Amino acid sequence: KNEVEQSPQNLTAQEGEFITINCSYSVGISALHWLQQHPGGGIVSLFMLSSGKKKHGRLIATINIQEKHSSLHITASHPRDSAVYICAVYNTDKLIFGTGTRLQVFP
Amino acid sequence: EAQVTQNPRYLITVTGKKLTVTCSQNMNHEYMSWYRQDPGLGLRQIYYSMNVEVTDKGDVPEGYKVSRKEKRNFPLILESPSPNQTSLYFCASSPGPSRTDTQYFGPGTRLTVL
Repeated sequence: KNEVEQSPQNLTAQEGEFITINCSYSVGISALHWLQQHPGGGIVSLFMLSSGKKKHGRLIATINIQEKHSSLHITASHPRDSAVYICAVYNTDKLIFGTGTRLQVFP
Repeated sequence: EAQVTQNPRYLITVTGKKLTVTCSQNMNHEYMSWYRQDPGLGLRQIYYSMNVEVTDKGDVPEGYKVSRKEKRNFPLILESPSPNQTSLYFCASSPGPSRTDTQYFGPGTRLTVL
């Protein structure tokens, strides 16, 4: 079993829909990252969380340390949000990645 | 512009021919790292460096070497590449020694070993 699990693996949505991507982990962590990988391959860091909730534009990330779970929400989704979203956790001295959620938003 | 650069972006080589992928950052970051990304496996850490002359193994270090002689550069060396090292490689850096800082990723290097 992977130490970081993401669901769903693939997600399609219509423009304007509210999107939720989930990340569960089984190890102790000091922080959790949400990353976005564009179709061209580039990776951008969206959020780094150690507790609570963060918001940036239409993106909201939450983390529940007790339940070892984080969610990434996209409000009013747009085709330009189409990408792979990757959850990664810091465990002691290494970064452990989930395998990603591929999101496609259609107009 | 603050950025992490990698070269080359694409490389096709043959088994056993030594190669180096360069990584450079212009943000004066202390922490740098190399990852490989494979379908179904996600990103995995190869090596990381907390500062100049300080490097440590990640999850998949076999077949790779790194060096950190200057703060800005962190090259990845494949002494004798093999086909199972065909992958997409990313270099990343972050501001401080804390591994919880936001990481900045390079554009990636797609390597094919025949």
